[in-house]
Amino acid sequence: EPEVTQTPSHQVTQMGQEVILRCVPISNHLYFYWYRQILGQKVEFLVSFYNNEISEKSEIFDDQFSVERPDGSNFTLKIRSTKLEDSAMYFCASTSTGGTPEQYFGPGTRLTVT
Amino acid sequence: RKEVEQDPGPFNVPEGATVAFNCTYSNSASQSFFWYRQDCRKEPKLLMSVYSSGNEDGRFTAQLNRASQYISLLIRDSKLSDSATYLCVVNAGANNLFFGTGTRLTVIP
Repeated sequence: EPEVTQTPSHQVTQMGQEVILRCVPISNHLYFYWYRQILGQKVEFLVSFYNNEISEKSEIFDDQFSVERPDGSNFTLKIRSTKLEDSAMYFCASTSTGGTPEQYFGPGTRLTVT
Repeated sequence: RKEVEQDPGPFNVPEGATVAFNCTYSNSASQSFFWYRQDCRKEPKLLMSVYSSGNEDGRFTAQLNRASQYISLLIRDSKLSDSATYLCVVNAGANNLFFGTGTRLTVIP
């Protein structure tokens, strides 16, 4: 069964550093998403991406965040200057079509900012 | 105002019991509804979509009441493997989802 993969599984970084979280969506999917989940809290939408551009973004997704699809398989989330409050699980998801069909999530990257 | 509200639980039930979870959502324009399950420190996994007519998948039954903006999930004959957090999820906008905080279920032997 095809699945979304994410690397690394755990990233530790110092405050102010840049991090790039990587995702490989399911191969025939066209819509990609990033969510985050702070420990003990709910999953929160960050951004959706289709046809090489952002479709929607939340208030959380400020100028410190950016997304990119650098090649035909990877989808990345960059945080330019990490803050302590960026510590969370970051989940990538993908779907084959738009209009909020079921989204399939990767295993997540746990980001710890110290 | 929370977009999706759920009773956080925990629900502790014996094996074989029937348990029901409820959820309310605030955006009357929402069109897509789902139940996801999340195990500790794992990703959310789709359990089932929720349709207006209600739908059933084995031991799981989901209901949607658009007038009351209310979604439910019923689990019959609970198994130990059903222990998880159940997330009520509603679309918000064209391409993103709002998640509830989840209801934690523990099935006890």
